[in-house]
Amino acid sequence: AQKVTQAQTEISVVEKEDVTLDCVYETRDTTYYLFWYKQPPSGELVFLIRRNSFDEQNEISGRYSWNFQKSTSSFNFTITASQVVDSAVYFCALSEEEGSGTYKYIFGTGTRLKVLA
Amino acid sequence: ETGVTQSPTHLIKTRGQQVTLRCSSQSGHNTVSWYQQALGQGPQFIFQYYREEENGRGNFPPRFSGLQFPNYSSELNVNALELDDSALYLCASSFRGLANYGYTFGSGTRLTVV
Repeated sequence: AQKVTQAQTEISVVEKEDVTLDCVYETRDTTYYLFWYKQPPSGELVFLIRRNSFDEQNEISGRYSWNFQKSTSSFNFTITASQVVDSAVYFCALSEEEGSGTYKYIFGTGTRLKVLA
Repeated sequence: ETGVTQSPTHLIKTRGQQVTLRCSSQSGHNTVSWYQQALGQGPQFIFQYYREEENGRGNFPPRFSGLQFPNYSSELNVNALELDDSALYLCASSFRGLANYGYTFGSGTRLTVV
């Protein structure tokens, strides 16, 4: 069965520290897509990154970086020099095709990140 | 371009009542999905609509139903509300065929059933 595990329920760091959020997934598909979303207190899920199963290149976007390793089924997210504005709940998600072009996301339970000033 | 808008933002209902939640898709998007997010949990897929028809459903009972209108806006209806239906309901839109590029989510409707 498809599954996404985010073992870290809550992480607290002091501003300017680096922090890594872990994501482990299970899928039977050979082609799949992984995502990270940020959920601030306002509630909406903000898209951060998408990665397909054939692209294992790590990616860096400003202070954000992602490490995708198929061998360990992990897609970890690192924030460098964290800031208070990074405080939010972060979700890792796996896209699963339901058929006929319908895709649903399977989300992990999220990691609440608190960045203290 | 406008994003996904949902209404109302908060709602309190009594057990056994019925509720309708509304969603306006992002401009240019023709597919809408609904997710239920219980407190402290990740969102769970309810169903997806395309061309005004349901074409994918998660593990939710039939009392959860939906509609999609010609302008791609959507409604989520829940009948016979139960206490466990209390959650944040998120609407997400995309352009069919590009769903794996990421959905655009609304801010959600927080439903409390008492």
